[in-house]
Amino acid sequence: GQNIDQPTEMTATEGAIVQINCTYQTSGFNGLFWYQQHAGEAPTFLSYNVLDGLEEKGRFSSFLSRSKGYSYLLLKELQMKDSASYLCAVGTNQAGTALIFGKGTTLSVSS
Amino acid sequence: EAGVTQSPTHLIKTRGQQATLRCSPISGHTSVYWYQQALGLGLQFLLWYDEGEERNRGNFPPRFSGRQFPNYSSELNVNALELEDSALYLCASSLRVAVTDTQYFGPGTRLTVL
Repeated sequence: GQNIDQPTEMTATEGAIVQINCTYQTSGFNGLFWYQQHAGEAPTFLSYNVLDGLEEKGRFSSFLSRSKGYSYLLLKELQMKDSASYLCAVGTNQAGTALIFGKGTTLSVSS
Repeated sequence: EAGVTQSPTHLIKTRGQQATLRCSPISGHTSVYWYQQALGLGLQFLLWYDEGEERNRGNFPPRFSGRQFPNYSSELNVNALELEDSALYLCASSLRVAVTDTQYFGPGTRLTVL
């Protein structure tokens, strides 16, 4: 079967660094995406990993280990506007080109 | 460049009725995906259309159906509405048929079934 796990909630303070983990079990793995979704809004694309390693994009970085079925999203220099839900999604050949989403991690950033 | 648009923003129906939701992809995108986001659940894949054809569907009953028009816009129809169909329905589009192509989401249609 296919399964994606990520923590339900996380809290952090402004200026801090937070790491959101995602573990997955899928067949036909074909890439891992991270999306950000503010309450009441559409998910917006953050990052894509298909090879092992770290992809850095400004304050956000994403890491993938295919052998471990593991990814994380690293957010640096947290700002209040980073308070949102972060969705881990796996692309798999088993589902065509649709993405399999985790339930999301709600991050609350406080001052 | 305009993003993915969806209409209506909100839709209220009663049990047993039919709902029609619409989506216009980003210009140049040929693939359209529909997802259901129910409270407390992750995004669940519903349907995928590309070049006017249904390419795949998720684990949903046949009363969830849709189509894609020649201009690549898409329609999701939900027949015989049930209370548990209340959810945010998100449409996404991508440039071409490959899982490595990023899917861009619209703002969603909030469907409430009473």
